[in-house]
Amino acid sequence: AQTVTQSQPEMSVQEAETVTLSCTYDTSESDYYLFWYKQPPSRQMILVIRQEAYKQQNATENRFSVNFQKAAKSFSLKISDSQLGDAAMYFCAYRSEVGNEKLTFGTGTRLTIIP
Amino acid sequence: EAEVAQSPRYKITEKSQAVAFWCDPISGHATLYWYRQILGQGPELLVQFQDESVVDDSQLPKDRFSAERLKGVDSTLKIQPAELGDSAMYLCASSPRGARGIQYFGAGTRLSVL
Repeated sequence: AQTVTQSQPEMSVQEAETVTLSCTYDTSESDYYLFWYKQPPSRQMILVIRQEAYKQQNATENRFSVNFQKAAKSFSLKISDSQLGDAAMYFCAYRSEVGNEKLTFGTGTRLTIIP
Repeated sequence: EAEVAQSPRYKITEKSQAVAFWCDPISGHATLYWYRQILGQGPELLVQFQDESVVDDSQLPKDRFSAERLKGVDSTLKIQPAELGDSAMYLCASSPRGARGIQYFGAGTRLSVL
């Protein structure tokens, strides 16, 4: 079974600065998808960014980018120019290429933005 | 913008009582998921439907939990009887066919069992 580990329960960053959230995973598969989901306080979880394992190029979505290291099974999220609205729980998630659409989530990192 | 609807938002119940949660996915989404999120942890899949069929309920405590999606649209998750350890956020999500992991979540139902 796949596992996802987020070793930083909490992180904080000064507004307008850059922060990196860490995620590692364990799998024996070669094809899979990795995700970062954001859960703001009292609001629904939303997708931040997705990475296909077969793509060497790191995914980017505006101020959000990932550093995908397949051999190391590492998938970190970098948030540039942090904004107050970025404050949330961030969950790393894994989906196998085969089988159903099941996501396996990490335990999350709570990000605080300091004004 | 279409959203996944869940009700109620909050539910307080006593141990041994029955509770039910409702979810209405985004129109046209074939796949519906129920997750349980214990405070301080990531969501854990309880049950997954493809249309009206269950495709994964391996983590659903079937002695007390049940879920249905009779017409392949909205869904109900029931707990009977509720136990103290069931206190958690229950999240519903949906996705269209071929979504490859992209799921759209509702705001959740926070259950407190006293």
